[in-house]
Amino acid sequence: DAKTTQPNSMESNEEEPVHLPCNHSTISGTDYIHWYRQLPSQGPEYVIHGLTSNVNNRMASLAIAEDRKSSTLILHRATLRDAAVYYCILNYAGGTSYGKLTFGQGTILTVHP
Amino acid sequence: EAQVTQNPRYLITVTGKKLTVTCSQNMNHEYMSWYRQDPGLGLRQIYYSMNVEVTDKGDVPEGYKVSRKEKRNFPLILESPSPNQTSLYFCASSLFGTSGISEQFFGPGTRLTVL
Repeated sequence: DAKTTQPNSMESNEEEPVHLPCNHSTISGTDYIHWYRQLPSQGPEYVIHGLTSNVNNRMASLAIAEDRKSSTLILHRATLRDAAVYYCILNYAGGTSYGKLTFGQGTILTVHP
Repeated sequence: EAQVTQNPRYLITVTGKKLTVTCSQNMNHEYMSWYRQDPGLGLRQIYYSMNVEVTDKGDVPEGYKVSRKEKRNFPLILESPSPNQTSLYFCASSLFGTSGISEQFFGPGTRLTVL
């Protein structure tokens, strides 16, 4: 299974953009890139996902490298509420293990006022 | 309201006493999954189900059983719980299609302590 690598932690200031990187050098052509976050004392929460093209939604943007070996989750204006653990995971949409998801350790994002 | 519910939310039990944690979703999702979360180990998938009567192992299935007899329910069964199964458990569900798993909705979690 393809794996992801993320920095253990990152810091940001409130109202500034945040770029959270994720490396997935062994990604296959049918792996979708998903991002989730987990706020303190809560369950994980979906953020965004994509395959090849950059994606935008109300929460964030996902920038996917042309070779798909890395991606970046972009929070355009960080707020204190964005302080969370962010997980980058791959979902293999082909073959027989397409329900298997490996979350990894994630990136702890600290947002300073 | 679209939601995933888990019961119980908290459970303290003893080694070897069979227990079931229920999970139910009201969104008609095909895909359901169980995770456990432990300090320093992050979220790890236990089992998942692509649809009724279709289940498969995740990364840490040992000591657990699941069943999917109805689309809305996906119970997690611990036949003989042990202290190393003390953990925070999450159930999740999502649609599933040609683009794989869509947005997963997570339940509130079940904190299990096995003495």
